[in-house]
Amino acid sequence: GDSVTQMEGPVTLSEEAFLTINCTYTATGYPSLFWYVQYPGEGLQLLLKATKADDKGSNKGFEATYRKETTSFHLEKGSVQVSDSAVYFCALSDLGTGNQFYFGTGTSLTVIP
Amino acid sequence: GAGVSQSPSNKVTEKGKDVELRCDPISGHTALYWYRQSLGQGLEFLIYFQGNSAPDKSGLPSDRFSAERTGGSVSTLTIQRTQQEDSAVYLCASSFGSGSGETQYFGPGTRLLVL
Repeated sequence: GDSVTQMEGPVTLSEEAFLTINCTYTATGYPSLFWYVQYPGEGLQLLLKATKADDKGSNKGFEATYRKETTSFHLEKGSVQVSDSAVYFCALSDLGTGNQFYFGTGTSLTVIP
Repeated sequence: GAGVSQSPSNKVTEKGKDVELRCDPISGHTALYWYRQSLGQGLEFLIYFQGNSAPDKSGLPSDRFSAERTGGSVSTLTIQRTQQEDSAVYLCASSFGSGSGETQYFGPGTRLLVL
């Protein structure tokens, strides 16, 4: 079945450091890939997505490229800010499962000044 | 332009009691999803509605869990004879359609505590 594996946290970085959160997936079809973010005390919200191989999703300085050959969708940001502190979830949706989302376990990021 | 809303935001109940959780999706969204988020865990899929029908109930953990959706809008998730292991945050999401790539929009969740 479909599944998502993401890097375990927690991750603590200094402001302006480079961020990578690894995410790999298993899917039977041609999934779409997502990163969702959950800020403290708030609900999940979409950060970025990519719907086909080699697509790059980007938002708020974050980027992730859909790599079919390595079944990966790693999240990166060149210079993190304190306001990026949150829990990040990698997810996939597969048309074959009615757009059911499969989520990773989440990676907690804390950015310190 | 309201987002997905859920009620109650918090619910404390005693073991063995029934609870009902409500979800109001974004107007016009035909697909609705329920997930469960336990402490330190990822999101666990429970059930999915397309319109009023539920083609995928595979994630419901037991027959104590049921859900319905009426009028293609509001959905209720019912947990009968609650157990302590049911304690979690229950999240509802909706999307315009159910095609791959459709963004799901999440509500704030209902935090359930079973004593």
